[in-house]
Amino acid sequence: GAVVSQHPSWVICKSGTSVKIECRSLDFQATTMFWYRQFPKQSLMLMATSNEGSKATYEQGVEKDKFLINHASLTLSTLTVTSAHPEDSSFYICSARRREGTDTQYFGPGTRLTVL
Amino acid sequence: AQTVTQSQPEMSVQEAETVTLSCTYDTSESNYYLFWYKQPPSRQMILVIRQEAYKQQNATENRFSVNFQKAAKSFSLKISDSQLGDTAMYFCAFMKRGSGSRLTFGEGTQLTVNP
Repeated sequence: GAVVSQHPSWVICKSGTSVKIECRSLDFQATTMFWYRQFPKQSLMLMATSNEGSKATYEQGVEKDKFLINHASLTLSTLTVTSAHPEDSSFYICSARRREGTDTQYFGPGTRLTVL
Repeated sequence: AQTVTQSQPEMSVQEAETVTLSCTYDTSESNYYLFWYKQPPSRQMILVIRQEAYKQQNATENRFSVNFQKAAKSFSLKISDSQLGDTAMYFCAFMKRGSGSRLTFGEGTQLTVNP
């Protein structure tokens, strides 16, 4: 159990367009989902925390108008990169925390975004 | 604020041997979790082992075990009988216990298992 999926696994888009990434918990309900960004050979940087039915909490320095997060249900959160630019190219990873039980976070496989 | 430090950017080990990855952390919290995650070349983050701070007994998962020294704020990972599939980036992480708590990651240690 505790499987998290992300879609798409990779995406290439033109500068100025918007891209939506989905994160789903497949076999459990997630009260909280987290979005991370990872640059090559670096650690994960938390971008925002989203709770089902409420607004996301963004980390300092993360533009909330650029990275729109929606946590519409207990199994789905989406990250939309609006008006993407080449500097937004990165690896985006989501994680989900179970509704009950432990505090362990389970990670999706990540999405590689390339903005041309 | 919590900090997690992994002082070994890279390590290598021969197949079947044992290797220990270091991690230290700093916190004023008393109730927390510590984790080791691995990230293989596929970049999928995989939970290796988890330790609850109130438990004195060191966690063990098959070939993976930890040496948790709460007073020293140290949390090392020992991998026994290393396998080629253990080659990955390993991240140590801290989480304060409670709803919505975020993970604080270390910088990571790239482990290479050589045949």
